[in-house]
Amino acid sequence: ENQVEHSPHFLGPQQGDVASMSCTYSVSRFNNLQWYRQNTGMGPKHLLSMYSAGYEKQKGRLNATLLKNGSSLYITAVQPEDSATYFCAVEDGGFKTIFGAGTRLFVKA
Amino acid sequence: EAGVAQSPRYKIIEKRQSVAFWCNPISGHATLYWYQQILGQGPKLLIQFQNNGVVDDSQLPKDRFSAERLKGVDSTLKIQPAKLEDSAVYLCASRRTSGQDGEQYFGPGTRLTVT
Repeated sequence: ENQVEHSPHFLGPQQGDVASMSCTYSVSRFNNLQWYRQNTGMGPKHLLSMYSAGYEKQKGRLNATLLKNGSSLYITAVQPEDSATYFCAVEDGGFKTIFGAGTRLFVKA
Repeated sequence: EAGVAQSPRYKIIEKRQSVAFWCNPISGHATLYWYQQILGQGPKLLIQFQNNGVVDDSQLPKDRFSAERLKGVDSTLKIQPAKLEDSAVYLCASRRTSGQDGEQYFGPGTRLTVT
């Protein structure tokens, strides 16, 4: 069964710290992996996409790496406005997208 | 560029009643998705359209849920009859087309409460 797992489920860094989260996935055929951010009461917002193992992407204070069966996301110098739930989503070869349960980030001021 | 529009934003119904949600995707986006998001969980794909054809509906409870995308633009998702476990946020998303950059654009969702 295709699935995506997140670690940790909850993260509570101090403002200015680095927040580190990851996901692992199991899919029959891998197409791409995306990270999304969701604020309360809103739909998820796409952060970045990655396509093959070893792929790295930096976007502002976000830094993501795609591993063989997972991905890591780092947010440097976290701010209170970074508080949200971060989801990893994997698209399989049939273009079906599977989301994990997410990592809830709460940045302490 | 206008985003994905959904209505209503909130709906409260009693079990066994029916309900319909509407989605207007971003103009020109061929792919449209309906997701169900239960509190504390990630979005779960219910159905995916490419233009007005169904690409995947393997997780759609077809005995009570139905969806259509007439003319490859707007879409409606219907639940009839609703059960208590259908209480969730229903998210619509669109994308230019499958097979390219995975970026999906999500609407704000419809929060359904079944009592």
